[in-house]
Amino acid sequence: EVQLVESGGGLVQPGGSLRLSCAASGFMFSSYWMTWARRAPGKGLEWVANINQDGSQKYYVDSVKGRFTISRDNAKSSLYVQMNSLRAEDTAVYYCARDDGTLWGQGTLVTVSS
Amino acid sequence: QAVVTQEPSLTVSPGGTVTLTCGSSTGAVTGGHHCYWFQQKPGQAPRTLIYDTSNKHSWTPARFSGSLLGGKAALTLSGAQPEDEAEYYCLLSYSGHKVFGGGTKLTVL
Repeated sequence: EVQLVESGGGLVQPGGSLRLSCAASGFMFSSYWMTWARRAPGKGLEWVANINQDGSQKYYVDSVKGRFTISRDNAKSSLYVQMNSLRAEDTAVYYCARDDGTLWGQGTLVTVSS
Repeated sequence: QAVVTQEPSLTVSPGGTVTLTCGSSTGAVTGGHHCYWFQQKPGQAPRTLIYDTSNKHSWTPARFSGSLLGGKAALTLSGAQPEDEAEYYCLLSYSGHKVFGGGTKLTVL
């Protein structure tokens, strides 16, 4: 089955760190740009970051630059985002997606709160 | 980074036609922005309806179409159905970076 499954969400204190993972299956993961997007409670979708097929190109939304790092392991068909210095405004459901928009995971909730 | 604007809310009658638009703070939206349109319903992941301005996926209902209109990207729904009530988001590309619009809450009433 073609799917993306996120994991790693949870409750973290402000200033803390969290690493989200996204396991891909059913397609040639290494052939696709991949994306992280998020949706905060009561707000709209926000594009967070993307990465090209071999990991040599990465782009970030300004609000997470210097704090989030997107990466991938093609051998494991997995996408990651390391989130440091987390803030309350990072609270959201985080989605992993193929950059062409044709496939999305169901999301994992990150809550930043003391 | 650019700001992408959409109508916050629109209402359409069942069977009616409505056009949602997507503008860019940097100027006219062109084919180079590779506009995507997504539909999202409560508790669900987003679903792509349109890619590269006007292309449909195999799962996109024929009543949805994408275009460029007056310097903006547009999503037109012709013959609205109750199940089309949802939030709709456009996504524009800016040389690697991407930006979602604020979303349009579409009510079918």
